[in-house]
Amino acid sequence: AQRVTQPEKLLSVFKGAPVELKCNYSYSGSPELFWYVQYSRQRLQLLLRHISRESIKGFTADLNKGETSFHLKKPFAQEEDSAMYYCALRRNAGNMLTFGGGTRLMVKP
Amino acid sequence: DAGITQSPRHKVTETGTPVTLRCHQTENHRYMYWYRQDPGHGLRLIHYSYGVKDTDKGEVSDGYSVSRSKTEDFLLTLESATSSQTSVYFCAISGPTGAAYSGANVLTFGAGSRLTVL
Repeated sequence: AQRVTQPEKLLSVFKGAPVELKCNYSYSGSPELFWYVQYSRQRLQLLLRHISRESIKGFTADLNKGETSFHLKKPFAQEEDSAMYYCALRRNAGNMLTFGGGTRLMVKP
Repeated sequence: DAGITQSPRHKVTETGTPVTLRCHQTENHRYMYWYRQDPGHGLRLIHYSYGVKDTDKGEVSDGYSVSRSKTEDFLLTLESATSSQTSVYFCAISGPTGAAYSGANVLTFGAGSRLTVL
C-alpha cells in the first residue's frame, strides 16, 4: 500500500533562513509526487510536481527514489510562505492522490 | 474561482441526522473527489467518481455515500451523522490524464465545507 509521511507537524523558521519540509513515501511502483499548499483563508492549491522539475515561488523539490523522499526546499524563507504544506503521491495507475499529514510552516519576522 | 463550488460552506447538525454536501463544477472534468481534512491526518479520500454514475470508495468511506447523476454535480451524503464525522470536507476535480496534458493529474480544490456534528 502507498503511504506518505510528513514527519514534522510544525516547522518554525526566521525570515531569510533556509527551510526544508520533509516528505517520505512508500510505494513499490513508479510514483508521481506533488506538493500542495494552503495559505490562510485560501483554497488548497498545487505548488509544484516532480515531473515538471520547476521552481515555484523559490521552492524546489527533488524526487530521490533511493531514499523514497520528495523534500521541499527554499533557500531563504519569506513571511508570505507561512502556510500548510501537503505532500501527495499518485500511483502510476489511477487518478487518486494520497496525502501526507501536512506540515505547518511558520516564518517569523 | 476555479469553476468549483461547494455548498453549504458551514453546517452544524445533530448526531443521527442525514447530511448532504454538494460539489458543483463548471469545468466539465471527468474526475471528482471528496476528501476530509483532519489535524494530523492530512487529507483522506472518502469517495471519488470517474464519470456519471461511476463512483468508487476511497480509504475512509464507511458512513458515507455519493452520487453523480450528471457531470457537474457530485453529492456526498452522511446517512446518519456521527461526531467522528465532524471535519472539513473538500471536493476536488481533475481533468484528463496522460503526460501530454500539462494539467494532467492535478487536483483543483473547492473552498471546503465545515461540518460540525453535535
